[in-house]
Amino acid sequence: QKEVEQDPGPLSVPEGAIVSLNCTYSNSAFQYFMWYRQYSRKGPELLMYTYSSGNKEDGRFTAQVDKSSKYISLFIRDSQPSDSATYLCAMSVYGNKLVFGAGTILRVKS
Amino acid sequence: DAGITQSPRHKVTETGTPVTLRCHQTENHRYMYWYRQDPGHGLRLIHYSYGVKDTDKGEVSDGYSVSRSKTEDFLLTLESATSSQTSVYFCAISESETGGPYSNQPQHFGDGTRLSIL
Repeated sequence: QKEVEQDPGPLSVPEGAIVSLNCTYSNSAFQYFMWYRQYSRKGPELLMYTYSSGNKEDGRFTAQVDKSSKYISLFIRDSQPSDSATYLCAMSVYGNKLVFGAGTILRVKS
Repeated sequence: DAGITQSPRHKVTETGTPVTLRCHQTENHRYMYWYRQDPGHGLRLIHYSYGVKDTDKGEVSDGYSVSRSKTEDFLLTLESATSSQTSVYFCAISESETGGPYSNQPQHFGDGTRLSIL
C-alpha cells in the first residue's frame, strides 16, 4: 500500500463547476500538507501549504485537512479551462522527506 | 517563478554512456533535491543536498550520483545510463527552518529535463 493515495482521474468538469480533489494517507504522523499544480511539460507549482489540521483559503482555492480521517482535499471554485492540469498532493512528517501522491488529471471544459 | 534553471531541457543518449544533468538556483536556498517522475509512480526522490558537499540518498538512488560544490549548483550524474532511467528529471529547492537533513518548508521546482536513453 502506498503511503499517499490519489485517484489518477481524469476528472472532467464543465467550466464554472466546483472541483474537489482528494488524497488519503496512511501515516498518522504527517503534519505538513501541500498541493501542487503541474501543467504539461512544466514543473510542479506550489498552490497551497498547510500545517496540521483545518482549512486554508487562497482566492478560488481552499485546502482542507482532516487528520482524524487521514484525508486532505483541494477545492477549486468557479473552475476555468486554465485550471486544467495535474494536481499533486504532498505531505511530510517533521524532519522527514516529502511524500507525493501520483497526481490527479483535471480537465475543465469550456 | 523560483529562480531554478535545469539544463539540458531535453537529451537523447545511448545505453552505457555517462550523463550529467545540472540544476542552478539563484535563491541561495540551502536544500536542493533531484526527483524523477514516471507515469503511475509520481515524483520519487533520487538524492538531496542539505548544504555544500552535504548530500544523501533518496528512495531510488541506485545508478545515480550527485555533487554540490557550490550553493547554487547541484549536479546529477548517471554513471552508465540504462533504458530504465528514461524519465523526466526535476530539481527542487527549499529554504531551511532547521539544521537537519530535511526541510519542511515547501519545495519549488524547475521545469525538468526530459531524458531518453536508447
